[in-house]
Amino acid sequence: GESVGLHLPTLSVQEGDNSIINCAYSNSASDYFIWYKQESGKGPQFIIDIRSNMDKRQGQRVTVLLNKTVKHLSLQIAATQPGDSAVYFCAETSMNTGTASKLTFGTGTRLQVTL
Amino acid sequence: GAGVSQSPSNKVTEKGKDVELRCDPISGHTALYWYRQRLGQGLEFLIYFQGNSAPDKSGLPSDRFSAERTGESVSTLTIQRTQQEDSAVYLCASSFTVNNEQFFGPGTRLTVL
Repeated sequence: GESVGLHLPTLSVQEGDNSIINCAYSNSASDYFIWYKQESGKGPQFIIDIRSNMDKRQGQRVTVLLNKTVKHLSLQIAATQPGDSAVYFCAETSMNTGTASKLTFGTGTRLQVTL
Repeated sequence: GAGVSQSPSNKVTEKGKDVELRCDPISGHTALYWYRQRLGQGLEFLIYFQGNSAPDKSGLPSDRFSAERTGESVSTLTIQRTQQEDSAVYLCASSFTVNNEQFFGPGTRLTVL
């Protein structure tokens, strides 16, 4: 693999602070959303997902918020750690139209955690 | 193996040559996906397989791109007459079935000189 996103928007946070990564999606028919984490030289790794019948879902240290009105998705990471440094992608798809296989990815945000 | 594996990890080729990229999915996963990731961009869907069939080839950029899967296991993505714009990381993912979580491999970095 190869590190990606030399020209990606970057969010710098101090260790221990909370991080918020935002994503605007384009397809109003999308009803299933996923956040992925991609470390340098690796493939994307699933973090958390949310369906359109929810507006909030929590995992371990992560929360995803969905605002369908403005087609906005956010990922909140609590107590950010150095190991959270990576590129984060949101992805959308529609389960109802049978195209769940076809994920559409955003361009990504690089999260840099400073000590 | 425990995860999705891809080979080679890096491939440098000359413009006009053909290349084959290989993906070994997680054992038992019936669905397999190929994506392309250009530098600084998100993943671009290319094609997916359910078993050995490819219901959706709409993401293949041109007729120079093709993919096949055999034995509901290994898949190869072939790019003929490579062009410089084909330079990217090619990622493979697999899932238990089509609507399940996709697990990604580490990718193949293709550089076309």
